[in-house]
Amino acid sequence: DAGITQSPRYKITETGRQVTLMCHQTWSHSYMFWYRQDLGHGLRLIYYSAAADITDKGEVPDGYVVSRSKTENFPLTLESATRSQTSVYFCASSESWQGAGEQYFGPGTRLTVT
Amino acid sequence: DQQVKQNSPSLSVQEGRISILNCDYTNSMFDYFLWYKKYPAEGPTFLISISSIKDKNEDGRFTVFLNKSAKHLSLHIVPSQPGDSAVYFCAASATRHDKIIFGKGTRLHILP
Repeated sequence: DAGITQSPRYKITETGRQVTLMCHQTWSHSYMFWYRQDLGHGLRLIYYSAAADITDKGEVPDGYVVSRSKTENFPLTLESATRSQTSVYFCASSESWQGAGEQYFGPGTRLTVT
Repeated sequence: DQQVKQNSPSLSVQEGRISILNCDYTNSMFDYFLWYKKYPAEGPTFLISISSIKDKNEDGRFTVFLNKSAKHLSLHIVPSQPGDSAVYFCAASATRHDKIIFGKGTRLHILP
């Protein structure tokens, strides 16, 4: 299916565990982004990538790691999950840098850290 | 320090009437503004954008107005339809090559 997909859609994990959220897009967009959405906050950028093997920090990167070995995939790893990382995570992609045009968002992953 | 503010967490509007969603910003360097719409259990979808060289941009039932002197923008939906019930995020960037800052969102309820 064309588009942008995220897996899993729901995840419950324990404090201290490592968890990886997957993101896959079929458009060959250069740019990919990870956001988190929390009550009382808008969407906050965690990490972004301008191309394969090029990644950079966003607004709230602490506790997260990303990689981009292939253009279509952009996994987000929580190395040692904390309760404060309970959130809804959205992956997005775009043809150009985020301010220059629309981003296409995935359906989100709801992560609960117990 | 909130640079993009949506002060109304929710708004209820009768079907067929005009919905007006407001957004204020504090950073005078912002010159590109976007609105995204989000349904429950889905990701946000791009709705409409405007650059600071314009004061109005229209796309079908959706119009965005920008008042740079007041650092204020608004999204007008006319006429409002049941499918417009969603959360609307206002977003801004300093240039088209800068990161986007999102507001907290406004939940719009369209009443039958």
